[in-house]
Amino acid sequence: GQQLNQSPQSMFIQEGEDVSMNCTSSSIFNTWLWYKQDPGEGPVLLIALYKAGELTSNGRLTAQFGITRKDSFLNISASIPSDVGIYFCAGPPNTGNQFYFGTGTSLTVIP
Amino acid sequence: EAGVAQSPRYKIIEKRQSVAFWCNPISGHATLYWYQQILGQGPKLLIQFQNNGVVDDSQLPKDRFSAERLKGVDSTLKIQPAKLEDSAVYLCASAAEIYNEQFFGPGTRLTVL
Repeated sequence: GQQLNQSPQSMFIQEGEDVSMNCTSSSIFNTWLWYKQDPGEGPVLLIALYKAGELTSNGRLTAQFGITRKDSFLNISASIPSDVGIYFCAGPPNTGNQFYFGTGTSLTVIP
Repeated sequence: EAGVAQSPRYKIIEKRQSVAFWCNPISGHATLYWYQQILGQGPKLLIQFQNNGVVDDSQLPKDRFSAERLKGVDSTLKIQPAKLEDSAVYLCASAAEIYNEQFFGPGTRLTVL
């Protein structure tokens, strides 16, 4: 099946620092979604992107839909302790009805 | 608005036993998904329903896994018989329509001994 590779796999940062992570695929995606998952909970949608080049913000979060349609990026500015969790990219490739999640980036914020 | 409900939250069984999980989606949501999330990995889609019809089940191990959504509302996922590698969190999600935002339940953590 489709593989969405995320990097870095994990990050340890100081509170107040900015964070950048990315997601790449071997196929073209029509939609890119970014989710956050807290321990013991299901993923929660943060940002949705619908066209190549799109840049969308949600508070301190900014995500971009890569122009090749095979990648996406998520930035978090001025991190705070509640940003701790695992961040997943996800979406449907442009063929078929499947929906794929990435491998995840684990974020730890040190107060 | 109530979220997606799942039960049980935890289940421990021995290999070769059977197990069933239940999901109640958000009221009015036509699309329902079952995912398997193995520790340290992202969720993997097992099956997708639109009302009570299957849209995609290409990654469902059909020799042991089955799912149904008979009245287009609640859904059950069954594993029979379970294997050690089935240990995972099973997540249910629902959406108003296909390609709309998916809302996830808290999941059922299955441990197969």
